[in-house]
Amino acid sequence: RKEVEQDPGPFNVPEGATVAFNCTYSNSASQSFFWYRQDCRKEPKLLMSVYSSGNEDGRFTAQLNRASQYISLLIRDSKLSDSATYLCVVISHGNQFYFGTGTSLTVIP
Amino acid sequence: ETGVTQTPRHLVMGMTNKKSLKCEQHLGHNAMYWYKQSAKKPLELMFVYSLEERVENNSVPSRFSPECPNSSHLFLHLHTLQPEDSALYLCASSQDSGVGQPQHFGDGTRLSIL
Repeated sequence: RKEVEQDPGPFNVPEGATVAFNCTYSNSASQSFFWYRQDCRKEPKLLMSVYSSGNEDGRFTAQLNRASQYISLLIRDSKLSDSATYLCVVISHGNQFYFGTGTSLTVIP
Repeated sequence: ETGVTQTPRHLVMGMTNKKSLKCEQHLGHNAMYWYKQSAKKPLELMFVYSLEERVENNSVPSRFSPECPNSSHLFLHLHTLQPEDSALYLCASSQDSGVGQPQHFGDGTRLSIL
């Protein structure tokens, strides 16, 4: 079983829509979680950390569900510039970083 | 503008060549990483350096040889690579290698092996 699994998509949504991605992880002892954004042929960039209490940054909300072992990213009022691949990252014991394969989002005018 | 710079951006080499990838971070971080990103696959961690000491080597073939002369610079020396080594090689840094530290990535070097 993979350490981290994401639905690769693609997700094609109209501007202004709300879209959510989930990412499941297999190691219940995982300690830290992040969402990264990667534009085509560019490096991954940190989007936000994910905390147990959930956290929000503008139109983006990240949540962690330890019981079901998944993290989520919600994007409200989608913009064309949100089109990218969204990578979830799970850090397990020993500071092992595990990246998902990414979920592709295209926001359509 | 990224605080982690990688050179070259693109590299094409034959299987018998020797080349090096360079990474420099301007963030004052103490940990640096090399990743490989192949199409349709998740990022694969190759090496981790903390305070210039290698702390992680994820079963990477010996044809990849890292070097970390100081906490700001990281090299990946390449020798006798195979076609399946063609990929995007990403360097990252973090404040330290402790748990929960987010990593900041460079633009990557896109490597093609002929």
